[in-house]
Amino acid sequence: DIQMTQSPSSLSASVGDRVTITCRASQSIKTYVNWYQQRPGKAPRLLIFAASTLMHGVPSRFSGSGSGTDFTLTISNLQPEDFATYYCQQSFGTPLTFAGGTNVEI
Amino acid sequence: QITLKESGPTLVKPTQTLTLTCTFSGHSLSTPGVGVGWIRQPPGKALEWLALIYWNDDEHYSPSLRNRLTITKDTSKSQVFLTMTTVDPVDTATYYCAHIHYDILSAFYFFDYWGQGILVTVSS
Repeated sequence: DIQMTQSPSSLSASVGDRVTITCRASQSIKTYVNWYQQRPGKAPRLLIFAASTLMHGVPSRFSGSGSGTDFTLTISNLQPEDFATYYCQQSFGTPLTFAGGTNVEI
Repeated sequence: QITLKESGPTLVKPTQTLTLTCTFSGHSLSTPGVGVGWIRQPPGKALEWLALIYWNDDEHYSPSLRNRLTITKDTSKSQVFLTMTTVDPVDTATYYCAHIHYDILSAFYFFDYWGQGILVTVSS
């Protein structure tokens, strides 16, 4: 199985900050990584697919990059509604695997 | 607009069989490139993928749960079912179904629409 590891597991930030979350795969997955946002009590929401493609309707302050084993999700100009947990997920092969998540809190 | 909704029992006794239903609208599971997956999330924990099924009847399962899971679909009713046998309290979780967009050319795929989830508690 491909293991996905995120760091940090949690971070504190303020409105207006730039935040970067890192995701590492246990083997090369090219750009087969997706990022999701999950607000408390809600279902996950797709933000970015194929490492860097923004899902329609997602604000442009979200961006993704990386290939191979190392990926990043960046949120520029953090907004109040961005305080949530973020997950990366690989779709290079089954079993599909999610990382443990990063909780972005105030 | 694609919507999905999970339904089924919210309380199940240990050793029983759990069957969940995902009812969707706004897409057809007969359309190439479409699939539905099941993902669960124990309280306070991370997401865990369980199974998925594609328009062409291709099925995939989490190896750790393969011998307990069955995913099926009824395309005419726009429903996907997940059956889990011999449930245990560790199976207590919110279960989500999600629409899969599979790009046939690039092989990229992702969960682009999710149901609201159903909390299933396994307890005697």
